[in-house]
Amino acid sequence: FVLTQSPGTLSLSPGQRATLSCRASQSVNKRKIAWYQLKPGQAPRLLIYGASSRATGIPDRFSGRGSGTDFTLTISTLETEDFGVYYCQQYANSLRTFGQGTKVEI
Amino acid sequence: QVQLQESGPGLVKPSETLSLTCTVSGGSVSSGYYFWSWIRQPPGKALEWVGFVSFSGVPTYTPSLKSRLTISLDTSKNQFSLKLASVTAADTALYYCAREGYDDDSFFDYWGQGILVTVSS
Repeated sequence: FVLTQSPGTLSLSPGQRATLSCRASQSVNKRKIAWYQLKPGQAPRLLIYGASSRATGIPDRFSGRGSGTDFTLTISTLETEDFGVYYCQQYANSLRTFGQGTKVEI
Repeated sequence: QVQLQESGPGLVKPSETLSLTCTVSGGSVSSGYYFWSWIRQPPGKALEWVGFVSFSGVPTYTPSLKSRLTISLDTSKNQFSLKLASVTAADTALYYCAREGYDDDSFFDYWGQGILVTVSS
């Protein structure tokens, strides 16, 4: 179950919109895709689960959508604290897999 | 608020056993419907799911590490642990522990900050 994320790096300015893609090698049952934000020295943070549900405390500028094999994480208006690396993950299969990540540079 | 904290040696010699512990606070490792997971990230590479132990103590491992890996639960200390035998430089990574939900909620909702383990003589 391979997840391919694109682009590898996004270089954007505060206030801009970020669109991150995650493509699965096979259809993801029940849209079991999660998105995480990783920053150096911090615990990873769950952003989205079930492809489109925001985790507790996640600002509404983060949104997820998609079904089947194609999923998207959108940050509607970037803030400086949104820099980091974003990973998608599938949990439809008992062997959990992650994408290779998209780095968001502010 | 559930919190997880990894602990263990930061340096392990090749061929030895890597041992890490994750201490959980704000929740019980034996409460139902959670899996307690290990995930690692080699330098410059993506996240890799290593395995988990269920609330009842049953482990599941990623196939590539299964022959060397043991994940177990210590309910008396509210901890779970990872032991990886016969390590090589390829096992150098940032190791995270995390809580995973059950069934349709089997995503990782709480993570530790991670511990860097280097395999070197």
